[in-house]
Amino acid sequence: GQNIDQPTEMTATEGAIVQINCTYQTSGFNGLFWYQQHAGEAPTFLSYNVLDGLEEKGRFSSFLSRSKGYSYLLLKELQMKDSASYLCAVSTIYGGATNKLIFGTGTLLAVQP
Amino acid sequence: NAGVTQTPKFRVLKTGQSMTLLCAQDMNHEYMYWYRQDPGMGLRLIHYSVGEGTTAKGEVPDGYNVSRLKKQNFLLGLESAAPSQTSVYFCASSYELGTSGNNEQFFGPGTRLTVL
Repeated sequence: GQNIDQPTEMTATEGAIVQINCTYQTSGFNGLFWYQQHAGEAPTFLSYNVLDGLEEKGRFSSFLSRSKGYSYLLLKELQMKDSASYLCAVSTIYGGATNKLIFGTGTLLAVQP
Repeated sequence: NAGVTQTPKFRVLKTGQSMTLLCAQDMNHEYMYWYRQDPGMGLRLIHYSVGEGTTAKGEVPDGYNVSRLKKQNFLLGLESAAPSQTSVYFCASSYELGTSGNNEQFFGPGTRLTVL
């Protein structure tokens, strides 16, 4: 079956670094997305990994290991505005012509002063 | 460029009532999706469409119907609402799947539906 696991909640301090892990078991893997979702708002795209390794984008980096079914999102120089839910989503090929995103339940990150 | 918009933003229904949620996108995307988001459950796909005139079932389609008569619009219908359909509904759209695989989904602001 399809399964995505990520921690429910995390707390970190402003200015610090935090790593949010995601493990997955899916078929037809076609990449992994990270989305950010502030309370009461829509998810917004952060990163996409399809090959093993690290993708860096400013303060945010995302890592993928396909053989281990593992990804992490790294947030550096944390700011109060980074308090949000972080959604891990695996893209799976569906019917050969499209893809479907399977979402984890999200990790609620609280950044404290 | 409004992106993905949804109407209404909030709605309260009584059990058995019907309603339609409207999603519109102005990015000329081929693919459109309807999700529901419940506490502790994550986003779950209800129905999706890979082009005008086409629809398909997602993970939790029961109790919902959809239509995609125009490329820019994707409608989600509840024929007879039940309390179990109380949720936040998100619409999303994306380009068709390309060789890169990165067809990022753009989400609308959501509709908060309560069924009493």
